[in-house]
Amino acid sequence: QSVLTQPPSVSGAPGQRVTISCTGSSSNIGAVYDVHWYQHLPGTAPKLLIYANTNRPSGVPDRFSGSKSGTSASLAITGLQAEDEADYYCQSYDSSLSGWVFGGGTKLTVL
Amino acid sequence: EVQLLESGGGLVQPGGSLRLSCAASGLTFNTYGMGWVRQAPGKGLEWVTSISGRGVHTYYADSVKGRFTISRDISKNTLFLQMNSLRAEDTAVYYCAKSPTIVTRYFDLWGQGTLVTV
Repeated sequence: QSVLTQPPSVSGAPGQRVTISCTGSSSNIGAVYDVHWYQHLPGTAPKLLIYANTNRPSGVPDRFSGSKSGTSASLAITGLQAEDEADYYCQSYDSSLSGWVFGGGTKLTVL
Repeated sequence: EVQLLESGGGLVQPGGSLRLSCAASGLTFNTYGMGWVRQAPGKGLEWVTSISGRGVHTYYADSVKGRFTISRDISKNTLFLQMNSLRAEDTAVYYCAKSPTIVTRYFDLWGQGTLVTV
């Protein structure tokens, strides 16, 4: 069981907008710790998508955006494309565990 | 080009040991924190261990504490993971990952991974 909770799956049609939630607690997201997001295609290296809650690394399309409020964070993807089909993970730091934690991952299916 | 390349994975018996390596190229190695993240078959990503830029500070997940040791050879631009007392639940693809700061906050560059089967 991950300390960061994500929905196992989400789906959307091409061109649509989807959001992926990441729910934590007062020892991680609800504390001072940032949330980061990764995209992972099976058999490849995970890719940093969003860092420090809302920031996009260079090269990541602005279709991807992040937000954080209270003990939760969200990743939004607009203008869905077939190439967005992948697994998405949130990540933060947990002071109770004294370590970095990932969400359980969300599989995005583009219909 | 900045690159991380893992090696050393393989098949090992329960209770055995294995040493993973991660060769970094195209970056000033001692400037960045590094870590290992694993993915068991059919499971999500799990943070395993991290080390600060100059190797002074190390951090471990409870699941591997006392069995795994992270280290780095700055002169060789290489990160290591010594895994002892391996268990079936350690079976996973192990990714080497780089943090953009001297202490891990998040990982901005990942290797392709190396498979460990126990």
